[in-house]
Amino acid sequence: AQSVAQPEDQVNVAEGNPLTVKCTYSVSGNPYLFWYVQYPNRGLQFLLKYITGDNLVKGSYGFEAEFNKSQTSFHLKKPSALVSDSALYFCAVRVMNRDDKIIFGKGTRLHILP
Amino acid sequence: DAMVIQNPRYQVTQFGKPVTLSCSQTLNHNVMYWYQQKSSQAPKLLFHYYDKDFNNEADTPDNFQSRRPNTSFCFLDIRSPGLGDAAMYLCATSLEGRGTAEAFFGQGTRLTVV
Repeated sequence: AQSVAQPEDQVNVAEGNPLTVKCTYSVSGNPYLFWYVQYPNRGLQFLLKYITGDNLVKGSYGFEAEFNKSQTSFHLKKPSALVSDSALYFCAVRVMNRDDKIIFGKGTRLHILP
Repeated sequence: DAMVIQNPRYQVTQFGKPVTLSCSQTLNHNVMYWYQQKSSQAPKLLFHYYDKDFNNEADTPDNFQSRRPNTSFCFLDIRSPGLGDAAMYLCATSLEGRGTAEAFFGQGTRLTVV
């Protein structure tokens, strides 16, 4: 069965410091991996994805993520955090077969401290 | 701009009174999803359409139904809303098989049951 795990409910980072939000996955077949961000009372905004190719993918707002197949991880990173990055972050996985579902992790709330 | 639009943004309904939430898209995507999200938890997939094929999640209550009359529109019908159905409902679309695998989300409809 497909699953996505985000082990941290909350991550606190000082502004200007690097941030990491962790995600591990379990799927059969090749995974398509995503990160989304959600601000209060809004829908989910797409940040970045891994489909194939370079393990380091770059996305919106200076975020990047590293795909690690051996560790089945897809951690979200940013070199220098901004207060405006404070939000709820979701990791998701999609398997491109006929079932075609997108499954989300439980989310990690990121607090950037001024 | 091409997008996913959900109406209304906020919906208040009475306990037991049927309610319909709507979603439209101009992306011409063949897959449409309905998710339920409670209190900043992970979005929970209720069902999705792959073209005209309806796929219901095993744990989606019978109280929830959906219609997709054409590619652009999808509706979520809650036949007899209970207090536990108060949540944010998210519609999303994606395009299968064309190299673009991420889902695009609407802004959501927040449902209150009184």
